[in-house]
Amino acid sequence: QQQVKQSPQSLIVQKGGISIINCAYENTAFDYFPWYQQFPGKGPALLIAIRPDVSEKKEGRFTISFNKSAKQFSLHIMDSQPGDSATYFCAASSSGGSYIPTFGRGTSLIVHP
Amino acid sequence: EPEVTQTPSHQVTQMGQEVILRCVPISNHLYFYWYRQILGQKVEFLVSFYNNEISEKSEIFDDQFSVERPDGSNFTLKIRSTKLEDSAMYFCASSQPGGANVLTFGAGSRLTVL
Repeated sequence: QQQVKQSPQSLIVQKGGISIINCAYENTAFDYFPWYQQFPGKGPALLIAIRPDVSEKKEGRFTISFNKSAKQFSLHIMDSQPGDSATYFCAASSSGGSYIPTFGRGTSLIVHP
Repeated sequence: EPEVTQTPSHQVTQMGQEVILRCVPISNHLYFYWYRQILGQKVEFLVSFYNNEISEKSEIFDDQFSVERPDGSNFTLKIRSTKLEDSAMYFCASSQPGGANVLTFGAGSRLTVL
């Protein structure tokens, strides 16, 4: 019930391409869906987040698409750059519960120059 | 920019030994967390701490684990008798909740149990 399933585990794209990472959740009480970005040697840092009252949120080259009925959300990185190479984690939490985020497994993204 | 500081960055210990991982959360944050990540696996919640007591803990956080905030700034995770399967990256995080619980993570402490 508390799981957040993330795919793919690793992703390689060319510079300028689109990176897409998908997540699915089961708990319908989740109402906050952040994405965290982690560079080697650093802790995860909040990248972008969405609430289920909207289907899409865009910040620069990063877009979250949210499908409430399918209980899925995805991160799209447009015009991917080598500097985007990192591990990306999706997460979900419930404002009506403990607030504590449940994380996905993570996706290692490599963007080739 | 304020950050969460963790020490040590890497610790190697023998099975059965006690380990203390230390964290300095962001000064005006009120909630503190420990997560762990076994290599190649998901980031797993261990425990949250608020108002000088555990507010929530997972099944992983059994009797061999303990947390405390000994001096109002440090937040520690103690593993009393380490096992091989405790080898993981341990992340400390803190937050100032208010609608959206945005966690600020430290860089992690890698624990290797031999």
